[in-house]
Amino acid sequence: TAGITQAPTSQILAAGRSMTLRCTQDMRHNAMYWYRQDLGLGLRLIHYSNTAGTTGKGEVPDGYSVSRANTDDFPLTLASAVPSQTSVYFCASSPNLSPNNEQFFGPGTRLTVL
Amino acid sequence: DQQVKQNSPSLSVQEGRISILNCDYTNSMFDYFLWYKKYPAEGPTFLISISSIKDKNEDGRFTVFLNKSAKHLSLHIVPSQPGDSAVYFCAASRGWNTDKLIFGTGTRLQVFP
Repeated sequence: TAGITQAPTSQILAAGRSMTLRCTQDMRHNAMYWYRQDLGLGLRLIHYSNTAGTTGKGEVPDGYSVSRANTDDFPLTLASAVPSQTSVYFCASSPNLSPNNEQFFGPGTRLTVL
Repeated sequence: DQQVKQNSPSLSVQEGRISILNCDYTNSMFDYFLWYKKYPAEGPTFLISISSIKDKNEDGRFTVFLNKSAKHLSLHIVPSQPGDSAVYFCAASRGWNTDKLIFGTGTRLQVFP
């Protein structure tokens, strides 16, 4: 079972360019999340989706957009990248009734905006 | 405003000894807490959790303690092993089965021989 996959693994992007980070899960989890991890700040929630067709804003949503057309995919788009969006991005998912309330994370995408 | 705080960015422990990682929170509405472990170039993985109706939860070498009055939780690893070397994040939520996990900043644990 693949679990959660993210693509690309890493990317260098010029400021002002757009980019979509891809996330796919094969666990049929209803909820999916995007986090960014920055040194000294931990993991911060960007956007989330409780189920296909719905999305919500997290703690740091500005500059990012998401869509949830189906259960498996949850892409994150940067419309016009800025250097402050340099970070490691993690996608996660969780089932509706997780016994531990846990989320399952992908391997991350390291993005550098120059 | 950091609602979940891990004030020690790093910890170094000898193999076989106890590792104690601490986490403090400010929101008294949090009632479910989790610890995640993260190796370099990998995503975080779930380690152990505790709800506010308990003050201790144990799973093998890992034990989490919760002190609600102090708004403090800790993760104990006994005995520590070199494979435990990783970054540990604590996380908190309001209610079980919620989409909002608030993470701490992480503590890097190094277990040396």
